[in-house]
Amino acid sequence: QQQVKQSPQSLIVQKGGISIINCAYENTAFDYFPWYQQFPGKGPALLIAIRPDVSEKKEGRFTISFNKSAKQFSLHIMDSQPGDSATYFCAARVYTGTASKLTFGTGTRLQVTL
Amino acid sequence: SAVISQKPSRDICQRGTSLTIQCQVDSQVTMMFWYRQQPGQSLTLIATANQGSEATYESGFVIDKFPISRPNLTFSTLTVSNMSPEDSSIYLCSVASGTNSYEQYFGPGTRLTVT
Repeated sequence: QQQVKQSPQSLIVQKGGISIINCAYENTAFDYFPWYQQFPGKGPALLIAIRPDVSEKKEGRFTISFNKSAKQFSLHIMDSQPGDSATYFCAARVYTGTASKLTFGTGTRLQVTL
Repeated sequence: SAVISQKPSRDICQRGTSLTIQCQVDSQVTMMFWYRQQPGQSLTLIATANQGSEATYESGFVIDKFPISRPNLTFSTLTVSNMSPEDSSIYLCSVASGTNSYEQYFGPGTRLTVT
């Protein structure tokens, strides 16, 4: 079953703290794991992504940690800011032979307080 | 990344009617996708649209209900037919440059309310 499980459903972090969102998958055919950030009334924006041959990827304050053996990956937001308050979706890609298909997690609503 | 626009941005429609949503990209892309996102929920793929071929629908979505056109490499439409309140949702267009591209980029969405 092509499913991606995401937790927590919601998260409240103080400004300057670390936000951590976790995802787990079952399908070993997934070969690309993006994270999307979505603000209210907007479409999801590609934030950062990783391929399974890498255990960590960092872009600014955002880091993905990837554990291939455990089939888990997580997003870490360092020095969280109020402007980071949004909904975050993890996803996993599979190539069907004719197209890429993304399966999304259920989303995490992050609120960063002052 | 591509710049994607959708029209309309939002609409309120009566049940039984149909609405066509347009998706325009500022560069040529091979793959276009249509997703549905119910308020506060995750994204569900409706169909994949390759230029020059019939759209491929996901389980639970049928062409009669969600006909899709893909006349060229920068444009696609999704029609929501014979609408019911259950069709109230955000409809999102997404693009990828190639069939095996990793990155997908999303448009701003169309918020549909059916009364």
